[in-house]
Amino acid sequence: GAVVSQHPSWVICKSGTSVKIECRSLDFQATTMFWYRQFPKQSLMLMATSNEGSKATYEQGVEKDKFLINHASLTLSTLTVTSAHPEDSSFYICSASLGTGQGGNYGYTFGSGTRLTVV
Amino acid sequence: AQTVTQSQPEMSVQEAETVTLSCTYDTSESDYYLFWYKQPPSRQMILVIRQEAYKQQNATENRFSVNFQKAAKSFSLKISDSQLGDAAMYFCAYRGTGTASKLTFGTGTRLQVTL
Repeated sequence: GAVVSQHPSWVICKSGTSVKIECRSLDFQATTMFWYRQFPKQSLMLMATSNEGSKATYEQGVEKDKFLINHASLTLSTLTVTSAHPEDSSFYICSASLGTGQGGNYGYTFGSGTRLTVV
Repeated sequence: AQTVTQSQPEMSVQEAETVTLSCTYDTSESDYYLFWYKQPPSRQMILVIRQEAYKQQNATENRFSVNFQKAAKSFSLKISDSQLGDAAMYFCAYRGTGTASKLTFGTGTRLQVTL
């Protein structure tokens, strides 16, 4: 089945530094990737949609200069949290749309998530 | 904009019993897809079941089945013969028919399974 590998699974960084989270599609080409943020005991909140080779589309209220998304290839999308602060601490999840080309029938596959702690 | 509502923040079921999780949604589209995802403590999102809106037949996957009422915009999940491993957060989700359509999630229902 279609698998998305997300790394790192957890990271601790100092306030003011930047952190990069990677999501790789292992056995398929991910034209579209979604990035979510999840606070404890809450639902997934969509941050942005990235399409290979074009600029990401950010949801309202998400700072595009703080959360940089790059989708330079069909197998790799990255989220960089720039100048991280404690309030950026959260669980970040990526997801790839399987569309219909991969026989996915409009399904999705999710990465395993990254727990970011900013101290 | 589409919205998904899960009115049960928490549910509890005894092992081997049956439980139904509720979900309602709002959309102006006639064709779309509905999903139930499970998120165990590992936080990995796992697809439980999906339903295409154009299909009248309710989807079934082993112990999991849905009651899809299109006119009422209702999409409940029934878990039969509940097992301890079913304990998790369950999210109802909606997407449109575009190939790059995003998923809209409900707020989730935490399911506890007791002995």
